[in-house]
Amino acid sequence: QITLKESGPTLVKPTQTLTLTCTISGFSLSTSGVGVGWVRQPPGKALEWLTLIYWDDDKRYSPSLKSRLTITKDTSKNQVFLTMTNMNPMDTATYYCVNWNYQQHWFDPWGQGTLVTVSS
Amino acid sequence: QSALTQPPSASGSPGQSVTISCTGTSSDVGGYNYVSWYQQHPGKAPKLMIYEVSKRPSGVPHRFSGSKSGNTASLTVSGLQAEDEADYYCSSYAGSNNLGVFGTGTKVTVL
Repeated sequence: QITLKESGPTLVKPTQTLTLTCTISGFSLSTSGVGVGWVRQPPGKALEWLTLIYWDDDKRYSPSLKSRLTITKDTSKNQVFLTMTNMNPMDTATYYCVNWNYQQHWFDPWGQGTLVTVSS
Repeated sequence: QSALTQPPSASGSPGQSVTISCTGTSSDVGGYNYVSWYQQHPGKAPKLMIYEVSKRPSGVPHRFSGSKSGNTASLTVSGLQAEDEADYYCSSYAGSNNLGVFGTGTKVTVL
Protein backbone atom coordinates (compact mmCIF):
# COMPACT_ATOMS: atom_id res chain seq x y z
CA GLN A 1 0.00 0.00 0.00
CA ILE A 2 1.35 3.40 -1.02
CA THR A 3 1.15 6.17 1.54
CA LEU A 4 2.54 9.68 1.65
CA LYS A 5 2.62 11.85 4.74
CA GLU A 6 3.46 15.52 5.00
CA SER A 7 5.13 17.15 7.96
CA GLY A 8 6.42 20.59 8.81
CA PRO A 9 5.46 23.85 10.50
CA THR A 10 1.82 24.84 10.75
CA LEU A 11 2.60 28.54 11.15
CA VAL A 12 5.21 30.67 9.42
CA LYS A 13 5.76 34.41 9.43
CA PRO A 14 5.70 36.59 6.33
CA THR A 15 9.03 36.66 4.47
CA GLN A 16 10.14 33.40 6.08
CA THR A 17 11.07 30.24 4.19
CA LEU A 18 8.82 27.18 4.43
CA THR A 19 10.23 23.67 4.39
CA LEU A 20 7.92 20.66 4.23
CA THR A 21 8.79 16.98 4.29
CA CYS A 22 6.95 14.16 2.55
CA THR A 23 7.67 10.68 3.90
CA ILE A 24 6.77 7.90 1.50
CA SER A 25 6.07 4.23 2.04
CA GLY A 26 5.05 1.51 -0.36
CA PHE A 27 7.47 2.40 -3.15
CA SER A 28 11.04 3.59 -3.55
CA LEU A 29 12.03 7.01 -4.84
CA SER A 30 14.85 5.35 -6.74
CA THR A 31 12.52 3.16 -8.83
CA SER A 32 12.46 4.07 -12.51
CA GLY A 33 9.36 6.05 -13.46
CA VAL A 34 8.60 7.34 -9.97
CA GLY A 35 7.59 10.95 -9.53
CA VAL A 36 6.49 12.75 -6.37
CA GLY A 37 5.17 16.28 -6.24
CA TRP A 38 3.39 18.95 -4.26
CA VAL A 39 -0.04 20.46 -4.77
CA ARG A 40 -1.58 23.14 -2.57
CA GLN A 41 -5.11 24.33 -1.84
CA PRO A 42 -5.92 27.64 -0.14
CA PRO A 43 -8.93 27.41 2.19
CA GLY A 44 -12.11 27.16 0.15
CA LYS A 45 -10.23 27.45 -3.12
CA ALA A 46 -8.96 25.29 -5.96
CA LEU A 47 -5.98 22.98 -6.22
CA GLU A 48 -2.70 24.29 -7.62
CA TRP A 49 0.21 22.14 -8.79
CA LEU A 50 3.57 23.40 -7.48
CA THR A 51 6.45 21.11 -8.30
CA LEU A 52 7.60 17.54 -8.93
CA ILE A 53 10.76 15.48 -8.73
CA TYR A 54 11.47 12.30 -10.68
CA TRP A 55 13.41 9.21 -9.70
CA ASP A 56 16.37 10.43 -11.75
CA ASP A 57 16.38 13.82 -9.94
CA ASP A 58 14.79 15.65 -12.87
CA LYS A 59 12.68 18.48 -11.45
CA ARG A 60 9.67 20.42 -12.71
CA TYR A 61 8.22 23.65 -11.36
CA SER A 62 5.04 25.63 -11.81
CA PRO A 63 5.96 28.50 -14.13
CA SER A 64 4.22 31.03 -11.87
CA LEU A 65 6.10 30.01 -8.70
CA LYS A 66 9.36 28.69 -10.08
CA SER A 67 11.50 31.45 -8.59
CA ARG A 68 10.37 30.64 -5.05
CA LEU A 69 10.34 26.83 -5.09
CA THR A 70 12.93 24.14 -4.61
CA ILE A 71 12.23 20.42 -4.51
CA THR A 72 14.75 17.84 -3.38
CA LYS A 73 14.77 14.23 -2.21
CA ASP A 74 16.64 11.89 0.11
CA THR A 75 16.42 8.48 -1.47
CA SER A 76 17.96 6.75 1.55
CA LYS A 77 15.12 8.02 3.75
CA ASN A 78 12.48 7.91 1.01
CA GLN A 79 11.61 11.53 1.64
CA VAL A 80 10.86 14.50 -0.58
CA PHE A 81 11.30 18.09 0.54
CA LEU A 82 9.60 21.30 -0.56
CA THR A 83 11.14 24.69 0.10
CA MET A 84 9.22 27.88 -0.61
CA THR A 85 10.86 31.23 0.01
CA ASN A 86 9.43 34.63 0.89
CA MET A 87 6.15 33.32 2.27
CA ASN A 88 3.19 35.69 2.36
CA PRO A 89 -0.41 35.39 3.64
CA MET A 90 -1.62 34.34 0.18
CA ASP A 91 0.48 31.20 0.56
CA THR A 92 -1.78 30.03 3.39
CA ALA A 93 -3.00 26.66 2.19
CA THR A 94 -3.14 22.93 2.71
CA TYR A 95 -0.06 21.46 1.08
CA TYR A 96 -0.39 17.95 -0.32
CA CYS A 97 2.34 15.53 -1.25
CA VAL A 98 1.26 13.40 -4.19
CA ASN A 99 2.41 10.49 -6.31
CA TRP A 100 2.65 11.28 -10.04
CA ASN A 101 2.02 8.61 -12.65
CA TYR A 102 4.68 9.28 -15.24
CA GLN A 103 3.10 7.43 -18.12
CA GLN A 104 -0.56 8.22 -17.69
CA HIS A 105 -0.16 11.68 -16.20
CA TRP A 106 -2.27 11.59 -13.08
CA PHE A 107 -1.84 12.36 -9.39
CA ASP A 108 -2.66 9.55 -6.95
CA PRO A 109 -2.52 8.72 -4.13
CA TRP A 110 -2.35 11.92 -2.14
CA GLY A 111 -1.08 12.53 1.33
CA GLN A 112 -3.49 13.71 4.00
CA GLY A 113 -2.23 17.28 3.57
CA THR A 114 -0.83 19.77 6.04
CA LEU A 115 -2.30 23.21 6.65
CA VAL A 116 0.28 25.99 6.66
CA THR A 117 -0.78 29.42 7.85
CA VAL A 118 1.26 32.51 7.06
CA SER A 119 0.73 35.18 9.66
CA SER A 120 2.74 37.50 11.86
CA GLN B 1 -1.08 29.28 -17.13
CA SER B 2 -4.73 29.95 -16.18
CA ALA B 3 -6.87 27.51 -14.30
CA LEU B 4 -9.35 25.42 -16.26
CA THR B 5 -12.92 26.68 -16.06
CA GLN B 6 -15.59 24.65 -14.29
CA PRO B 7 -19.11 25.63 -13.18
CA PRO B 8 -19.13 26.46 -9.46
CA SER B 9 -21.97 24.08 -8.71
CA ALA B 10 -24.12 21.26 -10.04
CA SER B 11 -26.90 19.25 -8.49
CA GLY B 12 -29.25 16.37 -9.01
CA SER B 13 -31.61 14.09 -7.16
CA PRO B 14 -30.61 10.56 -6.21
CA GLY B 15 -30.64 8.33 -9.27
CA GLN B 16 -30.33 11.23 -11.71
CA SER B 17 -27.25 12.21 -13.73
CA VAL B 18 -25.09 15.28 -13.48
CA THR B 19 -22.45 16.45 -15.95
CA ILE B 20 -19.60 18.82 -15.13
CA SER B 21 -17.68 20.66 -17.81
CA CYS B 22 -14.01 21.63 -17.78
CA THR B 23 -12.89 24.17 -20.36
CA GLY B 24 -9.29 24.87 -21.19
CA THR B 25 -7.28 25.72 -24.27
CA SER B 26 -5.41 24.00 -27.06
CA SER B 27 -2.33 24.13 -24.82
CA ASP B 28 -3.84 21.87 -22.20
CA VAL B 29 -7.21 20.09 -22.52
CA GLY B 30 -7.35 20.35 -26.30
CA GLY B 31 -3.74 19.43 -26.82
CA TYR B 32 -3.47 16.20 -24.85
CA ASN B 33 -5.61 13.23 -23.93
CA TYR B 34 -4.40 13.53 -20.35
CA VAL B 35 -7.41 14.92 -18.54
CA SER B 36 -8.05 13.56 -15.07
CA TRP B 37 -10.81 14.13 -12.54
CA TYR B 38 -10.58 14.19 -8.75
CA GLN B 39 -13.24 13.88 -6.06
CA GLN B 40 -12.73 15.68 -2.78
CA HIS B 41 -14.95 15.31 0.27
CA PRO B 42 -14.80 18.05 2.93
CA GLY B 43 -11.60 17.92 4.93
CA LYS B 44 -10.22 15.05 2.86
CA ALA B 45 -7.52 14.69 0.24
CA PRO B 46 -8.55 14.45 -3.42
CA LYS B 47 -9.09 11.03 -4.97
CA LEU B 48 -8.50 10.10 -8.60
CA MET B 49 -11.75 9.20 -10.36
CA ILE B 50 -10.93 9.41 -14.09
CA TYR B 51 -7.66 9.52 -16.01
CA GLU B 52 -6.75 9.83 -19.69
CA VAL B 53 -10.11 11.50 -20.34
CA SER B 54 -12.30 8.46 -19.85
CA LYS B 55 -10.51 5.66 -17.99
CA ARG B 56 -11.55 4.59 -14.50
CA PRO B 57 -9.03 3.39 -11.92
CA SER B 58 -9.78 0.13 -10.23
CA GLY B 59 -12.41 0.55 -7.55
CA VAL B 60 -14.13 3.61 -9.04
CA PRO B 61 -17.81 2.91 -9.72
CA HIS B 62 -18.95 2.55 -13.33
CA ARG B 63 -21.39 5.43 -12.86
CA PHE B 64 -18.45 7.81 -13.25
CA SER B 65 -17.53 8.50 -16.86
CA GLY B 66 -15.49 11.05 -18.75
CA SER B 67 -15.29 12.48 -22.25
CA LYS B 68 -13.69 15.28 -24.22
CA SER B 69 -14.51 17.41 -27.23
CA GLY B 70 -12.04 20.02 -28.39
CA ASN B 71 -10.94 22.16 -25.48
CA THR B 72 -13.70 20.96 -23.13
CA ALA B 73 -13.71 17.82 -21.03
CA SER B 74 -16.70 16.50 -19.11
CA LEU B 75 -17.39 14.27 -16.14
CA THR B 76 -20.74 12.56 -15.85
CA VAL B 77 -22.02 10.93 -12.71
CA SER B 78 -24.96 8.68 -13.47
CA GLY B 79 -27.31 7.26 -10.88
CA LEU B 80 -26.33 9.86 -8.29
CA GLN B 81 -25.85 8.59 -4.76
CA ALA B 82 -25.57 10.51 -1.53
CA GLU B 83 -21.86 9.71 -1.23
CA ASP B 84 -21.21 11.43 -4.57
CA GLU B 85 -21.81 14.80 -2.91
CA ALA B 86 -18.35 16.37 -3.01
CA ASP B 87 -16.13 18.84 -4.84
CA TYR B 88 -14.82 17.72 -8.21
CA TYR B 89 -11.70 19.04 -9.93
CA CYS B 90 -10.47 18.43 -13.42
CA SER B 91 -6.80 18.54 -14.32
CA SER B 92 -4.94 18.52 -17.59
CA TYR B 93 -1.35 17.86 -18.55
CA ALA B 94 0.03 20.95 -20.29
CA GLY B 95 3.49 19.88 -21.27
CA SER B 96 6.61 18.63 -19.54
CA ASN B 97 7.08 21.96 -17.76
CA ASN B 98 3.48 22.22 -16.55
CA LEU B 99 2.39 18.83 -15.39
CA GLY B 100 -0.99 19.69 -13.94
CA VAL B 101 -3.31 22.59 -14.60
CA PHE B 102 -6.31 22.21 -12.32
CA GLY B 103 -9.85 23.38 -12.77
CA THR B 104 -11.68 25.88 -10.59
CA GLY B 105 -13.72 23.13 -8.97
CA THR B 106 -17.40 22.17 -8.95
CA LYS B 107 -19.46 21.43 -5.88
CA VAL B 108 -21.91 18.63 -6.57
CA THR B 109 -24.97 18.53 -4.36
CA VAL B 110 -27.28 15.54 -4.15
CA LEU B 111 -30.73 16.96 -3.48
